[in-house]
This record gives sequence, structure tokens and C-alpha cells, in this order.
Amino acid sequence: NAGVMQNPRHLVRRRGQEARLRCSPMKGHSHVYWYRQLPEEGLKFMVYLQKENIIDESGMPKERFSAEFPKEGPSILRIQQVVRGDSAAYFCASSPSEGGIIQYFGAGTRLSVL
Amino acid sequence: GENVEQHPSTLSVQEGDSAVIKCTYSDSASNYFPWYKQELGKGPQLIIDIRSNVGEKKDQRIAVTLNKTAKHFSLHITETQPEDSAVYFCAALGGGADGLTFGKGTHLIIQP
Repeated sequence: NAGVMQNPRHLVRRRGQEARLRCSPMKGHSHVYWYRQLPEEGLKFMVYLQKENIIDESGMPKERFSAEFPKEGPSILRIQQVVRGDSAAYFCASSPSEGGIIQYFGAGTRLSVL
Repeated sequence: GENVEQHPSTLSVQEGDSAVIKCTYSDSASNYFPWYKQELGKGPQLIIDIRSNVGEKKDQRIAVTLNKTAKHFSLHITETQPEDSAVYFCAALGGGADGLTFGKGTHLIIQP
């Protein structure tokens, strides 16, 4: 039973480019959460999605960031026109039920903006 | 919103001794408190969790205690081993929230 799969593991972008991060939840999980981790910091919640719906995006910057979880395929976190401050580790978690209980994390995508 | 404070930021213990990491939270409506272990270059791994209707939970060498009145919860690791070396994060799920609020982490070092 595969865990939460994230790709790519490492992503390098130049300022102004787009970054696209993918997350496939654990089998049977339909609840996906995205978090950002800056160096020496804890994880910060960004967005919570269910299939085809954004439920809570209160932690996501209003500009340049978007997320989706289509009916088919992985969840995508998209960052447009990246800036140096976007450099961080981005983690996806999935849960078998709503309410945020028991979230399992993927290995993360480490984004570096040059 | 919820705010979680975690102490200490670094903890060094001798192999075989116990380690205790403490967290406080601000939202009295928070009802779920997981602990995660993160090794270098990896994602956080859920190691134990506790819900607000329980005061203590154990799983082999790991235990978590919760004091709702004081809004305080702790992770206890007994008989520490070298493979326990990692960064440990506490988290809380606030009332009505969907995302976890994390502490800043404790770097646990097990000295041989």
C-alpha cells in the first residue's frame, strides 16, 4: 500500500517561472492538505481540498498560488511567477476522512528559486 | 487562530535515558494533538496522537499526555535509542479548522 507520493522531489526554477507540484494521496484517501516548511521552521497550512473542491484555502497567499484536486489524477499546487521567497519544502498530506484527523505526509518537494 | 509553542528547540540525552518535549496551545476548542518525527530530507511521520477526551496514550516506548485545563501536552520517549535522533513536531487541530498548526520543532540528539 503506497504512501502519499509527491513529485518531483526537487525542483529548481528561475524567478518568474512557474512551479507545478504534484501529490497523489494514499489509496482510499480523498482529503488532501498542502503545507509549506521554511528552513528551521514548522509546517504552515496552506490549503485543504477534496475531489474537485477547495474546502479551505485560508493559509494560501492570495496571489500567484493556486491548488486543484481533479476528479482524476493527482492534486496540483501551482506557483506562478516564482520569487526567491517561495524557496521552501512543500508537503502534501492525505487523510481518509474529513476533519483533519490522522494526516499522513509525503516526502515533500523542495523548491529552489534562483 | 491557533498558536502552538514547543520547547525545547534542541534536546540532547544519553542513550537509554528518557526525553520529554513540551507544547502549549492557545485555542481551547482544539481537540486533536498529533506528534510527528521528521528525519533529514524526509516528510513528517505520524508517531502518536491524542484526542481531547483522553488524558494519556502509550505506544511501546512513546507516550503522550494532555492537560486540557492548562492547554499543555507532552511527548515522552523512554529508553532512547540512536534511531530516535530526529526533529519532532507537535501539532494541534483547532476547533473548526482543517489544517494542523505546528510547533517549531525539537531537534532530539541521542548521545551514544
